[in-house]
Amino acid sequence: SQTIHQWPATLVQPVGSPLSLECTVEGTSNPNLYWYRQAAGRGLQLLFYSVGIGQISSEVPQNLSASRPQDRQFILSSKKLLLSDSGFYLCAWGELSSGTSYEQYFGPGTRLTVT
Amino acid sequence: QKEVEQNSGPLSVPEGAIASLNCTYSDRVSQSFFWYRQYSGKSPELIMSIYSNGDKEDGRFTAQLNKASQYVSLLIRDSQPSDSATYLCAVNFYGQNFVFGPGTRLSVLP
Repeated sequence: SQTIHQWPATLVQPVGSPLSLECTVEGTSNPNLYWYRQAAGRGLQLLFYSVGIGQISSEVPQNLSASRPQDRQFILSSKKLLLSDSGFYLCAWGELSSGTSYEQYFGPGTRLTVT
Repeated sequence: QKEVEQNSGPLSVPEGAIASLNCTYSDRVSQSFFWYRQYSGKSPELIMSIYSNGDKEDGRFTAQLNKASQYVSLLIRDSQPSDSATYLCAVNFYGQNFVFGPGTRLSVLP
């Protein structure tokens, strides 16, 4: 069965500091991978998605970036955090479920507080 | 702009009642539809997916899809306090990307 890991689980960082969040998936190959952010009391905002190694699409322009150095590894980074970067960061992987439709499954998430 | 709308709630129902959660979406070419449950402080968990018009039942959950009306709903029968959570509607408009609604908070009262 497939498993998705994220770390760290919680993180408190000062404004202007760098960020690196990591996500890995087990039990599948060449998955579609996604980074979402959920601000307090808000819905899920898609940040990046990747259909393969080195292939990253950005949905929202901001000070974040993503990389996929290995098939089952997805990294979210920032060079300088803003207060507005605080939120719950979720990694997800997509599985083809019906015809051309995908189902998405989420990791446990990283709660980031920028102070 | 692709949009998915839900009532934010909270929706309160007594234990044992039927909870009805609704979702509307903006694009007629949407392919697939999903309901996620999110407990406070936790990540979303996929509970139902539906791809064609009509009803789909899984245990106490029934998803209903009406593409002509651009409407999808989730019914929870015999609601339990453990069903208290935020329910997110998600729509796959094209390709592999999803758009999520803001979620409806459900409270099942003992």
